[in-house]
Amino acid sequence: TAGITQAPTSQILAAGRSMTLRCTQDMRHNAMYWYRQDLGLGLRLIHYSNTAGTTGKGEVPDGYSVSRANTDDFPLTLASAVPSQTSVYFCASSDRAGTGELFFGEGSRLTVL
Amino acid sequence: GDSVTQMEGPVTLSEEAFLTINCTYTATGYPSLFWYVQYPGEGLQLLLKATKADDKGSNKGFEATYRKETTSFHLEKGSVQVSDSAVYFCALSGTYNFNKFYFGSGTKLNVKP
Repeated sequence: TAGITQAPTSQILAAGRSMTLRCTQDMRHNAMYWYRQDLGLGLRLIHYSNTAGTTGKGEVPDGYSVSRANTDDFPLTLASAVPSQTSVYFCASSDRAGTGELFFGEGSRLTVL
Repeated sequence: GDSVTQMEGPVTLSEEAFLTINCTYTATGYPSLFWYVQYPGEGLQLLLKATKADDKGSNKGFEATYRKETTSFHLEKGSVQVSDSAVYFCALSGTYNFNKFYFGSGTKLNVKP
């Protein structure tokens, strides 16, 4: 079972360039999330989507945008990357009607120079 | 707002030692509580959970009890193994928006042979 697939696994990006991190799930979960993980800060929510067609802002949304055109895909876009966006990004999903458990992808390590 | 505070690490133990990682929370209502584990180079995965006061979650020898009177959900294991070395995250899902998850900053556990 694939679960959640993220791409790319790792990327180095020049400041000012745009980048889209891809996230696909095959569990038909309604809710999806993007988190960033930074040393000492744990996981911080960037954006979330409770269902296809809707999105919401998390704790640290500035500089990021998301879309949710269908149930399976939840891409995260950095329109103009800055060095402070260097981080490990995790996509996750949950089944609103189920256990409330979050299922995570393997992460995407992004370095902005 | 809702939040989670967990003890800072790293925690270094010898194999077969007793483990406690403290976690306290702030929340309105009755949140669900979780412990997630992250092994090196991987995404987070659910370790255990509890959905109401006095519930005990358990898995792989780990246990945590939902204590509403002390707003705590401490993680314990009687005898740790080297394979338990990982980062452990305490988390809660909001009572009124159960799709909102709040994470602690993580506690790194190192178990030495």
